[in-house]
Amino acid sequence: DQQVKQNSPSLSVQEGRISILNCDYTNSMFDYFLWYKKYPAEGPTFLISISSIKDKNEDGRFTVFLNKSAKHLSLHIVPSQPGDSAVYFCAASGGNYQLIWGAGTKLIIKP
Amino acid sequence: DTGVSQDPRHKITKRGQNVTFRCDPISEHNRLYWYRQTLGQGPEFLTYFQNEAQLEKSRLLSDRFSAERPKGSFSTLEIQRTEQGDSAMYLCASSLGQGRPRFGPGTRLTVT
Repeated sequence: DQQVKQNSPSLSVQEGRISILNCDYTNSMFDYFLWYKKYPAEGPTFLISISSIKDKNEDGRFTVFLNKSAKHLSLHIVPSQPGDSAVYFCAASGGNYQLIWGAGTKLIIKP
Repeated sequence: DTGVSQDPRHKITKRGQNVTFRCDPISEHNRLYWYRQTLGQGPEFLTYFQNEAQLEKSRLLSDRFSAERPKGSFSTLEIQRTEQGDSAMYLCASSLGQGRPRFGPGTRLTVT
């Protein structure tokens, strides 16, 4: 049973527009959420995180929103740039060392 | 820092052979993790070290898999008697305490 789900395998967005990537989780014990970006032939690189005590965290063009009651988080990228084309993974932690990952969403930014 | 490095980047082996992968974490990081990623999936946790102690092993890690981290520095992951189902990307990450893990580039294993 997947505890972290990213239901969109891919997403295509026009350059300059907003990209919204979604993630749902089932385990209410998760208290820390992270987004990683992955380019082909590279390992995942950390993008942004949010603690369960917050509902929003912003870093430049990237904003993560957390809706605990819906067990849903989203990553907003605005404006989207060609270099944002990558696979984005949502990951969750229950306060221990282990991250539980979604399957990823491939973001394609069209020029 | 020079980041997390992994060697080799690619490995092709025949079924039944043994393979060993190496991970060099960021030098000041005391925690080291191994994950496995198959096509179309996110990484799955395999095992975790704090310094030289292996503190947790996933049930994904069968008896054919063994990991070590002698002296709390680099780590090795060995797979004995490889099977086709072992084909995957093996990712190593390190962190300082409960900080965010930083990942290496991975080792892609293909078992023919």
